[in-house]
Amino acid sequence: AQSVTQLGSHVSVSEGALVLLRCNYSSSVPPYLFWYVQYPNQGLQLLLKYTTGATLVKGINGFEAEFKKSETSFHLTKPSAHMSDAAEYFCAVSGETGANNLFFGTGTRLTVIP
Amino acid sequence: DTAVSQTPKYLVTQMGNDKSIKCEQNLGHDTMYWYKQDSKKFLKIMFSYNNKELIINETVPNRFSPKSPDKAHLNLHINSLELGDSAVYFCASSQDYYTQYFGPGTRLTVL
Repeated sequence: AQSVTQLGSHVSVSEGALVLLRCNYSSSVPPYLFWYVQYPNQGLQLLLKYTTGATLVKGINGFEAEFKKSETSFHLTKPSAHMSDAAEYFCAVSGETGANNLFFGTGTRLTVIP
Repeated sequence: DTAVSQTPKYLVTQMGNDKSIKCEQNLGHDTMYWYKQDSKKFLKIMFSYNNKELIINETVPNRFSPKSPDKAHLNLHINSLELGDSAVYFCASSQDYYTQYFGPGTRLTVL
């Protein structure tokens, strides 16, 4: 079975500071990993994804994440936070090979302090 | 152009009523999904539907039923609504196992 743990339901950073949102996963098969962002009262938007190949993946809005198999992690980072980054961030892992359901973490709310 | 659209955006209704939420995707995807997001923002898969194959999350009550008139639509019917059904419901679609595209959500409030 697949599952995702996001450490820290709330993260606050100052504008211009490093953003680090943590995600650890559990999967019995090679995982496909995703980060989605949800702005207030909106749907989910894909930030980035890892399927195979390069373990450092770059996404939209300056975000990137690194797949570390040995640590079963897929942490999301951004070098310099912007006010517009304030949102809810969800890490997700795909289901077993041949299935395509996403299993989401409980989300991390990012607050950016001016 | 909206890729995945849902109607209505907000739905307020009384306990015991039957309601439907509509979802349409214009991406040509083969698979569509329904997710439920509870008050704590937790997202959980309810159904996935691919080429007339329905995969149901076993925890979903049978009061919930998806109906797909064609590949571009997957509607969600809910019978005998309960207070605990209050949530935001998201429709999504995908062409492969990698990327799902989400609709804007429907906020259901059961009074």
